[in-house]
Amino acid sequence: GAVVSQHPSWVICKSGTSVKIECRSLDFQATTMFWYRQFPKQSLMLMATSNEGSKATYEQGVEKDKFLINHASLTLSTLTVTSAHPEDSSFYICSARVGLGTYEQYFGPGTRLTVT
Amino acid sequence: DAKTTQPPSMDCAEGRAANLPCNHSTISGNEYVYWYRQIHSQGPQYIIHGLKNNETNEMASLIITEDRKSSTLILPHATLRDTAVYYCIAAGANSKLTFGKGITLSVRP
Repeated sequence: GAVVSQHPSWVICKSGTSVKIECRSLDFQATTMFWYRQFPKQSLMLMATSNEGSKATYEQGVEKDKFLINHASLTLSTLTVTSAHPEDSSFYICSARVGLGTYEQYFGPGTRLTVT
Repeated sequence: DAKTTQPPSMDCAEGRAANLPCNHSTISGNEYVYWYRQIHSQGPQYIIHGLKNNETNEMASLIITEDRKSSTLILPHATLRDTAVYYCIAAGANSKLTFGKGITLSVRP
């Protein structure tokens, strides 16, 4: 149980275009989902926290107009990288928490974004 | 959330126990100790968490000192597939997780 999927697993896009990454909780309902970014040889950096039905909370330094997060249902959150640039190339990982009062977060397999 | 400190790396022989230390001297009373691991190019995997008592599950054991200032994750019989970066995180329940640099465990044949 507690499986989180991401789609696509990797994507290549041209500079200036937008790309959408989906994060789904397959066998549970996730009231809270998180989006992380990881550059090579670095640790995960939290970008934003999203709760179903409400606006995402972004970490300091993360542009909310560039990284659009939608958490429209209890099983789906999307991250859209708008007007992508080569410096946005990274490994994007989502995670989901089952609900309040639980402690574990379950992570997706990640999406490798390359902007050319 | 309290800061945690881990050695950058360690190795152990396959089949032996791997003991991964973590210092969290500023941990507050309501913060849990969480352990996650990340195998290369994959999303992190939850391992175990604890508050005060030692915990054990099918993956590992977590030993927390009585003063809660440090803990040890024990993989009882390490395999090559346990080679990964292991993250020790101190955070309150329902808090967001802040990942540090972790410790790279290399299991050698």
